[in-house]
Amino acid sequence: SQQGEEDPQALSIQEGENATMNCSYKTSINNLQWYRQNSGRGLVHLILIRSNEREKHSGRLRVTLDTSKKSSSLLITASRAADTASYFCATPPGGAGSYQLTFGKGTKLSVIP
Amino acid sequence: NAGVTQTPKFQVLKTGQSMTLQCAQDMNHEYMSWYRQDPGMGLRLIHYSVGAGITDQGEVPNGYNVSRSTTEDFPLRLLSAAPSQTSVYFCASREIQGAPTHTGELFFGEGSRLTVL
Repeated sequence: SQQGEEDPQALSIQEGENATMNCSYKTSINNLQWYRQNSGRGLVHLILIRSNEREKHSGRLRVTLDTSKKSSSLLITASRAADTASYFCATPPGGAGSYQLTFGKGTKLSVIP
Repeated sequence: NAGVTQTPKFQVLKTGQSMTLQCAQDMNHEYMSWYRQDPGMGLRLIHYSVGAGITDQGEVPNGYNVSRSTTEDFPLRLLSAAPSQTSVYFCASREIQGAPTHTGELFFGEGSRLTVL
C-alpha cells in the first residue's frame, strides 16, 4: 500500500515561477526523500530530509518536513523548462531498520517556456 | 562508473513465456531491489535483497522470482508471463543501513519496458 501521496497529481506553470508539491504519509518515519523522473528515464535522488530536520535546501530546491502533520513539501524556485518531470516522495515504512522504500504516485510538473 | 545497468531496455513476450530481466551494479551496494511502475500506480516494490544469498518479498511478488548469488547482480525472472505484467521495471540499489557511506539514497537503472501480449 502507498505510504506517501503527492499532491497535486499534475502541475503546469510558466518558466520562472515557483512550483510547490506536497507529500503526505501515514506512519512514523526516520527520513523522507524526494526523487525526480524525466520522461522515459529512471528516478534520480534529489534530497533527503531526516525526521529531526524541519527544512533543507539544495540549490533551487527547498524541502520542509512537518512530522506532526505527517507531511512534506518540495519547492522549486525560479523553475526552468528542464525541471519538467515527475516528482516522487519516498519513505521507509516502519521506522528505523526498514530496508524498503515506498513511493507515492508522483506529481507531474510541466514548466512552459 | 556505470552505476545500475538494466538489460534489456525493451522486450515483447507472449503470454506464458518466461524471461529474465538483468540488473547489475558496480557500486558494491549490498541492497538491491526491483520495482514496477504502472500508470496511476506509482512504483511498487516486487522483491529486494540485503546481500548475496538473502532475498525477500515486496508488495507485489507474485509471478516473479529473484536470486542473489553475487553482490553485483540481481536478476528478476518472470516464470510465465501474463498481460498484467506489462509494465516498466526498475532496478535500484543502495548502501545497506549501518554502512559508513550509507545515505539512504536509491540509485536507479534506466528501466526495462516489458510488453506481454
